[in-house]
Amino acid sequence: AQKITQTQPGMFVQEKEAVTLDCTYDTSDPSYGLFWYKQPSSGEMIFLIYQGSYDQQNATEGRYSLNFQKARKSANLVISASQLGDSAMYFCAMRRVLGGATNKLIFGTGTLLAVQP
Amino acid sequence: EAGVTQFPSHSVIEKGQTVTLRCDPISGHDNLYWYRRVMGKEIKFLLHFVKESKQDESGMPNNRFLAERTGGTYSTLKVQPAELEDSGVYFCASSQGLGTTRGELFFGEGSRLTVL
Repeated sequence: AQKITQTQPGMFVQEKEAVTLDCTYDTSDPSYGLFWYKQPSSGEMIFLIYQGSYDQQNATEGRYSLNFQKARKSANLVISASQLGDSAMYFCAMRRVLGGATNKLIFGTGTLLAVQP
Repeated sequence: EAGVTQFPSHSVIEKGQTVTLRCDPISGHDNLYWYRRVMGKEIKFLLHFVKESKQDESGMPNNRFLAERTGGTYSTLKVQPAELEDSGVYFCASSQGLGTTRGELFFGEGSRLTVL
């Protein structure tokens, strides 16, 4: 069965420092996609970054990078130079790619990040 | 361009009552999804529409939940009768295609349902 595990219910980081949010996944599918979403207090889920299982390089989007270690089945999110606006809930998710593409996502329980000034 | 909008943002009802949640996807998005997050747990997939057709409803918890998408535009999710365990945040999301790469999924702000 597919599963996403986020072991950090909450994290603190000082402004301008880097922080790593952990995510491990379990799947037997040969092809899959990994996502990170941010949910600020407003409630909206904001797409941050995507990593395909066959991508050779780790994904990067501005201050966000995904540390993809396929053998370890981990997809940690690294936020560099944290800002106060980064305080939010962060969800790791996986997309199954069965007979074709799909946007049916499997989510972890989330990590609440608090950036301190 | 308007994003995914959901209504109501928060609903408080008593056990046994009926609630209908509405989702307006981004214009032109054929794919519409419903997800639910029960407090402290992971966000779970409920179902997927392609236009007006239910592509996948494997995540619907039971027959007290009814989702519709008449005309392939907005969607409603009705819970009847509501039970305490239905409390949570219901997210709607839409996408233009299914996406072989990012397949970006745009989420609404969610509808928080509290059943007393």
